[in-house]
Amino acid sequence: EAGVAQSPRYKIIEKRQSVAFWCNPISGHATLYWYQQILGQGPKLLIQFQNNGVVDDSQLPKDRFSAERLKGVDSTLKIQPAKLEDSAVYLCASSLSGRDKFFGPGTRLTVL
Amino acid sequence: QQPVQSPQAVILREGEDAVINCSSSKALYSVHWYRQKHGEAPVFLMILLKGGEQKGHDKISASFNEKKQQSSLYLTASQLSYSGTYFCGTEGRTGNQFYFGTGTSLTVIP
Repeated sequence: EAGVAQSPRYKIIEKRQSVAFWCNPISGHATLYWYQQILGQGPKLLIQFQNNGVVDDSQLPKDRFSAERLKGVDSTLKIQPAKLEDSAVYLCASSLSGRDKFFGPGTRLTVL
Repeated sequence: QQPVQSPQAVILREGEDAVINCSSSKALYSVHWYRQKHGEAPVFLMILLKGGEQKGHDKISASFNEKKQQSSLYLTASQLSYSGTYFCGTEGRTGNQFYFGTGTSLTVIP
């Protein structure tokens, strides 16, 4: 069974630029999560989708971050414009039951 | 709301035991445990859903004390492959909100 796919794996941008990340969850997993993990810290939930609806986006900085999950499968996370403090690993995870989460390899973002 | 883990870091020799604690200020519905190796994504270890429940496989087990809002992860006869950062994750009773803990770095040396 294929795991959670993410791209790109690495991205370097300058502050104020825009960036987008893509995630393809495990087939059949209705729940999809985007997490931000800053070096040395635990993952922080940005947004949770159930199919193509948003369940929780309380910690998403909505002035610069946006996410969508069209057709309830793939998802994209966008940052516009990026700030230095957005440097982190962005992890996508999916879940069948809404409990155990399977994580993708992550996208390491560096904002200069 | 973020659960607090202790210790922050621990170094073990192969074969030694370790306990990692996770404590929440909120009433809990479930506790999850993940291990993350350097540069990799977190990997799900186990979930505990009932107060008093204990689970385990191989030499890694966990307990959940619902009344104390705490969970502990037990690693016995540690192996080099156990090295990594361990995160607990807690789910509250009142909703879907799930928070990862502060993390515990575990290093097993020969």
